[in-house]
Amino acid sequence: GAVVSQHPSWVICKSGTSVKIECRSLDFQATTMFWYRQFPKQSLMLMATSNEGSKATYEQGVEKDKFLINHASLTLSTLTVTSAHPEDSSFYICSASAPGQGTYGYTFGSGTRLTVV
Amino acid sequence: AQSVTQLGSHVSVSEGALVLLRCNYSSSVPPYLFWYVQYPNQGLQLLLKYTSAATLVKGINGFEAEFKKSETSFHLTKPSAHMSDAAEYFCAVSDRGSSASKIIFGSGTRLSIRP
Repeated sequence: GAVVSQHPSWVICKSGTSVKIECRSLDFQATTMFWYRQFPKQSLMLMATSNEGSKATYEQGVEKDKFLINHASLTLSTLTVTSAHPEDSSFYICSASAPGQGTYGYTFGSGTRLTVV
Repeated sequence: AQSVTQLGSHVSVSEGALVLLRCNYSSSVPPYLFWYVQYPNQGLQLLLKYTSAATLVKGINGFEAEFKKSETSFHLTKPSAHMSDAAEYFCAVSDRGSSASKIIFGSGTRLSIRP
């Protein structure tokens, strides 16, 4: 079945530094990738949608200059949290999609827990 | 705009009892509907999905859900709860536009199983 690998699974960084999270589709070409953010005991909030080779579309209220998304290939999307602050600490999850994929496209990574100290 | 409402942030049932997790949706177009399960510090696993075929959808781990258009509901059930079912469950909706369509999640229901 479709597999999405997300790396790292957890990361601790100092305030003011940048962190990059990778999302890879291992056995299919992901035309679209989604990035979600989840606070403790809350639901997943969509941050942005990225299509391969084009700029990401950000949801209202998400700072595109802070959360940089790159989808340079059909198997890799990255989320970079720039100048991270403690309030950016959260669980970030990616999802990859492709036409014809079994579940109509939505396979999730295992998530990245970011802690900013 | 699409949305889902999950009734009950926390549901507790005894092992062996019926599990019923409620989800109501709102959509201006025929929706795709999903149920996902999330274990602590993990991503989401698809339990089942409705994409306009049979209204009664069977998923993994003995779960099933019924799409009821008249009630705009997509409740998740399992006849007999197991301890391993304890997790967070999310109902989600998407439009039928394409594989690039967004999935919108409900607020989640935490399922606890009593021995």
